[in-house]
Amino acid sequence: GNSVTQMEGPVTLSEEAFLTINCTYTATGYPSLFWYVQYPGEGLQLLLKATKADDKGSNKGFEATYRKETTSFHLEKGSVQVSDSAVYFCALSTKYNFNKFYFGSGTKLNVKP
Amino acid sequence: DGGITQSPKYLFRKEGQNVTLSCEQNLNHDAMYWYRQDPGQGLRLIYYSQIVNDFQKGDIAEGYSVSREKKESFPLTVTSAQKNPTAFYLCASSIEADRVGNQPQHFGDGTRLSIL
Repeated sequence: GNSVTQMEGPVTLSEEAFLTINCTYTATGYPSLFWYVQYPGEGLQLLLKATKADDKGSNKGFEATYRKETTSFHLEKGSVQVSDSAVYFCALSTKYNFNKFYFGSGTKLNVKP
Repeated sequence: DGGITQSPKYLFRKEGQNVTLSCEQNLNHDAMYWYRQDPGQGLRLIYYSQIVNDFQKGDIAEGYSVSREKKESFPLTVTSAQKNPTAFYLCASSIEADRVGNQPQHFGDGTRLSIL
């Protein structure tokens, strides 16, 4: 079946630190992979996506590379800011599945000044 | 601007009462989805619809009902049969993408439902 596993949070970093949030997946076939961000009291916003192996998604300084050999899609940012404090969700979708998404449980990031 | 509008932002339900959460989109998307989010947890799929007048149960449909009479609208009713309805409800939509599975879902800002 399809599933996504994210690292447990919260992750607490100081401003300008390097960020990694781990995400691994199990999927039938070849999934597309997504990272979403959720700020307090809001819905989810698409951060980046990758649709095939070795693709790198990037946006606002965040990056993630689709690694088929390790079934991973880790989120990274070189220098976090206080404004990056939010909950981050990894997700996947597959063909012929009504674009149904499978979400990880979310990782809360706290960035201290 | 195109987007998804959920209303109300906050909703209170009395015991034994049904309540309806509104979701409207002007993105011309065929597919729409309802999720439930509990504190500190991920999203769980309640219902989804790929086309007008058709919808399917998700993973936690019991105690909920939906309709899809218009492409733009996908209201969710939380019935009195849902014994633990307190949660944050999120509506999403996407381009119909069954054959490719690579289109993002776009989300509204959610409705927070509480019990009086």
